[in-house]
Amino acid sequence: DAGVIQSPRHEVTEMGQEVTLRCKPISGHNSLFWYRQTMMRGLELLIYFNNNVPIDDSGMPEDRFSAKMPNASFSTLKIQPSEPRDSAVYFCASSLETMNTEAFFGQGTRLTVV
Amino acid sequence: DAKTTQPNSMESNEEEPVHLPCNHSTISGTDYIHWYRQLPSQGPEYVIHGLTSNVNNRMASLAIAEDRKSSTLILHRATLRDAAVYYCILRDFYGGSQGNLIFGKGTKLSVKP
Repeated sequence: DAGVIQSPRHEVTEMGQEVTLRCKPISGHNSLFWYRQTMMRGLELLIYFNNNVPIDDSGMPEDRFSAKMPNASFSTLKIQPSEPRDSAVYFCASSLETMNTEAFFGQGTRLTVV
Repeated sequence: DAKTTQPNSMESNEEEPVHLPCNHSTISGTDYIHWYRQLPSQGPEYVIHGLTSNVNNRMASLAIAEDRKSSTLILHRATLRDAAVYYCILRDFYGGSQGNLIFGKGTKLSVKP
């Protein structure tokens, strides 16, 4: 397996534009996480899916952020409208939902909103 | 959610063992202790995890206190490549968090040649 695949790797957009980040989890994994990382706030959990269902979205900053998981092999994180303070590295991770498993992270998407 | 406390930073010399501590005094009986690390400009990567017994793998060892209120990640011979931020996380599949994976601030490990 190629691991967790995120796209794009880098995104530069203007304030007010819609941004969509994509994640393909490892095949067979049924848990998926979206994180945001900045120097100031560290690694923040945004949302956690289990079997395609959002379990915990308490970390989603505000209504401008939305995440979907239409099937077990694909998830999106959308920001509309984007703001400069959304600039960060966004990570997606997946794991099996059992007690003895590890989460695998993608390479991240570096988002810059100007 | 159960919390963990780690030192902000630690230093080590290359080729020497490193002991990274983590306190989790409010751990519940169903919490697993997970360790991840994040190398510069990369996503976090899994290191090791355990429940009650000490664990060893090719990367590190995990020593868990008998009362489970603390644990120590042991790197037996630090290399320059081990310089990273190390995160200690409690993961519970039975409680309200349902397997959530929440990162704290971690310990930034520096390795000197």
